[in-house]
Amino acid sequence: GQQVMQIPQYQHVQEGEDFTTYCNSSTTLSNIQWYKQRPGGHPVFLIQLVKSGEVKKQKRLTFQFGEAKKNSSLHITATQTTDVGTYFCAGRNTVYNFNKFYFGSGTKLNVKP
Amino acid sequence: NAGVTQTPKFQVLKTGQSMTLQCAQDMNHNSMYWYRQDPGMGLRLIYYSASEGTTDKGEVPNGYNVSRLNKREFSLRLESAAPSQTSVYFCASRVAGAGNEQFFGPGTRLTVL
Repeated sequence: GQQVMQIPQYQHVQEGEDFTTYCNSSTTLSNIQWYKQRPGGHPVFLIQLVKSGEVKKQKRLTFQFGEAKKNSSLHITATQTTDVGTYFCAGRNTVYNFNKFYFGSGTKLNVKP
Repeated sequence: NAGVTQTPKFQVLKTGQSMTLQCAQDMNHNSMYWYRQDPGMGLRLIYYSASEGTTDKGEVPNGYNVSRLNKREFSLRLESAAPSQTSVYFCASRVAGAGNEQFFGPGTRLTVL
């Protein structure tokens, strides 16, 4: 079945350092979404990528979708304590199923002030 | 708008007991989802409902049943709870269509002793 792998599982950084999390799918994806979950909270949508090679930016966050649409990354420049949380990717292949999303296991980011 | 609401917030059950987790959304969304979140496992889809009147299995449906009562409400039932079902349960909804974001409820923390 479809799987989305995400690494690393944990990342501890000093405030001001950069952070990257990576997602890889066993199959080609139609699109990929990214979510952030603050400690004790629920996942909140950040962005969606659809096109091969797409790059989108949200302030200090840069999201990329691979050329083959099988991998994606989220990069945070100059982390802040407000970035603390777990970041999830969620992939979907609409050829197989229009409604199912497959979540990665998440990367938990801790930022030391 | 309240968004996605879930009840209860916390629940402790004994092995073999049954219970129903309630979820409701006021955004007129077509699709609704139930996920469970376990440490290091990310979000795993239990069941989903693409539209009112339809339900389908996700990755981990065993031990659960669902009911899409109407467009607003989607409930998850544990008929005979087991310790392996100790988890945080999230309900989500989204507008049907290409890649629309999922809106998550606050979650239910369930412990089965």
